[in-house]
Amino acid sequence: QVQLQESGPGLVKPSETLSLTCFVSGDSISSDYWSWIRQPPGKGLEWIGFISYSGRTNYSPSLKSRVTMSMDTSKNQFSLKLSSLTAADTAIYYCAREVLYTGSYFGFQKWGQGTLVTVSS
Amino acid sequence: DIQMTQSPSSLSASVGDTVTIACRTSQSISKFLNWYQQKPGKAPNLLIYAASTLQSGVPSRFRGSGSGTDFTLTISSLQPEDFATYYCQQSYNAPKTFGQGTKVEI
Repeated sequence: QVQLQESGPGLVKPSETLSLTCFVSGDSISSDYWSWIRQPPGKGLEWIGFISYSGRTNYSPSLKSRVTMSMDTSKNQFSLKLSSLTAADTAIYYCAREVLYTGSYFGFQKWGQGTLVTVSS
Repeated sequence: DIQMTQSPSSLSASVGDTVTIACRTSQSISKFLNWYQQKPGKAPNLLIYAASTLQSGVPSRFRGSGSGTDFTLTISSLQPEDFATYYCQQSYNAPKTFGQGTKVEI
């Protein structure tokens, strides 16, 4: 049974860079697509981007200039960096596994528990 | 970006009721539509993919339908554990976008 676990600081200062890591257990990250999704407290879900099993990335246009994703297959983990933080980046950050079902349909099949990141001085 | 519009934003229901949640997209996405359930303090959980296919382990009282731009999630015989927030999400292209959510309350 695959498990995902986010790790990173709970509090970050404005203008700094957030670094989060998602540790994956129970399966290899050398398949499927690995995403970051965030949710401001009490609000809806926003897709940040993904990194594929081959290392290809795709970022949300609204965040593209500030986002970098990477993966370390030897440690079975992938990471998110988000720069130039403001209070608007305060959110629960989830990592998720996006799988390909038959017929070219994708879905976020497995999620981490989420980690709250607060941007404040 | 494909815009997602869910309705209603919230609804009140009782155990045993049948509820329907609508999701409309700003352009046709064929059947590239997923539904998620999120309970307070928890990550979302995939219920339905490809508009109408139940994810493994999801009870059959959940039913998805639709194609193109109009989709529906129906929950029959509502159970206590179904009170949650539901989100639609398009997987047609990036950026992957979500509806604003529908909260199902007692």
